[in-house]
Amino acid sequence: NAGVTQTPKFRVLKTGQSMTLLCAQDMNHEYMYWYRQDPGMGLRLIHYSVGEGTTAKGEVPDGYNVSRLKKQNFLLGLESAAPSQTSVYFCASKQERGLYYEQYFGPGTRLTVT
Amino acid sequence: AQKITQTQPGMFVQEKEAVTLDCTYDTSDQSYGLFWYKQPSSGEMIFLIYQGSYDEQNATEGRYSLNFQKARKSANLVISASQLGDSAMYFCAMSLTSYDKVIFGPGTSLSVIP
Repeated sequence: NAGVTQTPKFRVLKTGQSMTLLCAQDMNHEYMYWYRQDPGMGLRLIHYSVGEGTTAKGEVPDGYNVSRLKKQNFLLGLESAAPSQTSVYFCASKQERGLYYEQYFGPGTRLTVT
Repeated sequence: AQKITQTQPGMFVQEKEAVTLDCTYDTSDQSYGLFWYKQPSSGEMIFLIYQGSYDEQNATEGRYSLNFQKARKSANLVISASQLGDSAMYFCAMSLTSYDKVIFGPGTSLSVIP
């Protein structure tokens, strides 16, 4: 049981390049999330998914796209990277606990855009 | 609107002493869950403790306890007998049954002094 994994762990992009971050979970969770974390700030939600084939916008969706073609995978795409997207990206999946929910996080991806 | 507030950007505590990290929340929902996560300098998000809004007793997990005061809408984390390894960022978070997302506060940086 690997939990939530993220690929890659580190990446450096030039402005205008594109890339896709992969999040995978093996816990059969319905809900998956992409967050970004910037210095001195908490986690801000980019996009999320409540099930296979569904996606929704979070607080800071601009410049990102997502896809959830398979239940276990949640992809985050940057079509044209900008220096403002330099950040640490966390993926999470949600475990239902009765009425309440706990999120399990991946290890993070550190992205630098030059 | 739902919101989490952590008013202490940074805290210091002497090793072996207890420390309280403050968290207040705002929601009109009656059913919700409150979480604390630890983020050490290595970057991963580690789940510490959970409290449900209908739980009458304060949650405890080893040296961590959650001081839940529902009327005041506060969910403070108490760490007893601080250890050097407790130095990290700590995030308070809230989930709602009527809401697909988990909301995070801005975090508190804790430094344990030998």
